[in-house]
Amino acid sequence: GENVEQHPSTLSVQEGDSAVIKCTYSDSASNYFPWYKQELGKRPQLIIDIRSNVGEKKDQRIAVTLNKTAKHFSLHITETQPEDSAVYFCAASTGDYKLSFGAGTTVTVRA
Amino acid sequence: GAGVSQSPSNKVTEKGKDVELRCDPISGHTALYWYRQSLGQGLEFLIYFQGNSAPDKSGLPSDRFSAERTGGSVSTLTIQRTQQEDSAVYLCASSPGGRVETQYFGPGTRLLVL
Repeated sequence: GENVEQHPSTLSVQEGDSAVIKCTYSDSASNYFPWYKQELGKRPQLIIDIRSNVGEKKDQRIAVTLNKTAKHFSLHITETQPEDSAVYFCAASTGDYKLSFGAGTTVTVRA
Repeated sequence: GAGVSQSPSNKVTEKGKDVELRCDPISGHTALYWYRQSLGQGLEFLIYFQGNSAPDKSGLPSDRFSAERTGGSVSTLTIQRTQQEDSAVYLCASSPGGRVETQYFGPGTRLLVL
């Protein structure tokens, strides 16, 4: 089955700096890559996703890039703010129904 | 509209007891998922329901775990003879179904087995 690895497990950044989280996947048939944000004590929420026919997607301060050849994708958060502090999960799907999640990255934005 | 809801929000039980966790998906969503999230860990897939199809139970960790979905809507996850290692947050998610992959999560049930 699909194996998704996520790095780093924790990330501390100064407010205003950028944060980058990287994920690799094992199944070359994967074609859907969502990112979820989970604030402390709350439910995971989708923040951005990308499909395999696109190399990059942006939404305000967040962007995701996909390298199908290398089988990795990354989340980029620019101009970080305190409200960006949360756990971020990447996931991959082969387009059926099952999402395989990474272990999560705890992001702390220092004021 | 209303999101995915789960009950109870917290459950404390004694080792060996059975527990039932409930999930109400978003109205009209045909796909429903259960995940387990242990402290500081990622999301572990447990089971998937899609319409009237047979569920994918491949993620259930043991035969003490079972789930059903009645009428294609509400789902119940049952854990029999609970063990301390069952302590975790149990998350339910639903999606419109078909090949639409975006999943909408409920707030979870925090289970503590003493």
